[in-house]
Amino acid sequence: AQTVTQSQPEMSVQEAETVTLSCTYDTSESNYYLFWYKQPPSRQMILVIRQEAYKQQNATENRFSVNFQKAAKSFSLKISDSQLGDTAMYFCAFMKHTFAGGTSYGKLTFGQGTILTVHP
Amino acid sequence: DAGVTQSPTHLIKTRGQQVTLRCSPKSGHDTVSWYQQALGQGPQFIFQYYEEEERQRGNFPDRFSGHQFPNYSSELNVNALLLGDSALYLCASSFQPYNEQFFGPGTRLTVL
Repeated sequence: AQTVTQSQPEMSVQEAETVTLSCTYDTSESNYYLFWYKQPPSRQMILVIRQEAYKQQNATENRFSVNFQKAAKSFSLKISDSQLGDTAMYFCAFMKHTFAGGTSYGKLTFGQGTILTVHP
Repeated sequence: DAGVTQSPTHLIKTRGQQVTLRCSPKSGHDTVSWYQQALGQGPQFIFQYYEEEERQRGNFPDRFSGHQFPNYSSELNVNALLLGDSALYLCASSFQPYNEQFFGPGTRLTVL
């Protein structure tokens, strides 16, 4: 079974600074996706960024970027120029690729989450 | 373009009762997955529906069941409610079962 570990229960950062959230995962699969989701206090889960395991290039979405180390099974999220609206719970998630009956399936396995607080 | 919607927003039930939660997927999506999120925890996968059939299931008892309708909307049913079933229930939809999932706002279930 896959496991996802986020070792930082809480993090804080000053507005406009950079913060990195850590995530490690355990899998024997070679074909999978990794995601970072954000869940603000309003609770709607929002996709921040995704990474395909077969891609060596790290994904980037505006102020958000990842450092994907496949051999180390590490997938950290860097938030640059932090904004007050970045305050939220951040979840790292893993999706493995399963084939059955000619169709591919995937389910998300989440880490425990990291509460990020951005201070003015 | 409406995103994933869920109803009701909040629900209070007593032990032993049964509950039905509803989810409408994002326009163009055909797959619905359900997750249970206990307070302060990451979501746990319950099951996934595609082509009106349960395709994958997490480690949840048979008290948890579901259904997907021809219009791709879905229901989650929980029978014989326990106090431990109190949680936020999240629905996520995707186009095909192995693409990125978009989440709804969730239904907060409280079992007394």
